[in-house]
Amino acid sequence: GESVGLHLPTLSVQEGDNSIINCAYSNSASDYFIWYKQESGKGPQFIIDIRSNMDKRQGQRVTVLLNKTVKHLSLQIAATQPGDSAVYFCAENRLDGNEKLTFGTGTRLTIIP
Amino acid sequence: DTAVSQTPKYLVTQMGNDKSIKCEQNLGHDTMYWYKQDSKKFLKIMFSYNNKELIINETVPNRFSPKSPDKAHLNLHINSLELGDSAVYFCASRGGGNEKLFFGSGTQLSVL
Repeated sequence: GESVGLHLPTLSVQEGDNSIINCAYSNSASDYFIWYKQESGKGPQFIIDIRSNMDKRQGQRVTVLLNKTVKHLSLQIAATQPGDSAVYFCAENRLDGNEKLTFGTGTRLTIIP
Repeated sequence: DTAVSQTPKYLVTQMGNDKSIKCEQNLGHDTMYWYKQDSKKFLKIMFSYNNKELIINETVPNRFSPKSPDKAHLNLHINSLELGDSAVYFCASRGGGNEKLFFGSGTQLSVL
């Protein structure tokens, strides 16, 4: 079936290094993608989003890349800090009129001091 | 001020009981959601309401009944709780022509 998924369930990165979290999606009709960060005991928080007519978008220390050819999405976090430790989710919005975000399985990012 | 607030934060109850979780948003959004997050952190949509009308029901058992008294509130009532209902339930809202969802801090439901 159609899904939004992540390649790696866990990722450990040395503090100060850059990290890349990957996400694969299967629905070509998806036109909007979001990355969320969820810290322990909290709800998901918006990080950055991208529309399907773009292939790159930058925020503060974060960059999202979208490759529609291979249906791949990535989140790059530059100069990681201990506060970046969290579970990261990609989510897609499908063009089926229901306006619902479908979430991937999540990647736990751990920053090693 | 908290944008999306839900209560209670923790809910421990016995199997077979009926319980409710409340959600309120002060963002002026038209659309509200309930998501369920299981022990593996998988987030799955349950319901969506737009201006008090149900627009998404993701084949959730009839024991779950959402109620939206006004567009700022979306409550979730669960009848005859089962062990498998144990999860974290998140309320979220969206509006203003924006696609992104704003989430509450979650309600951790434990059914014993």
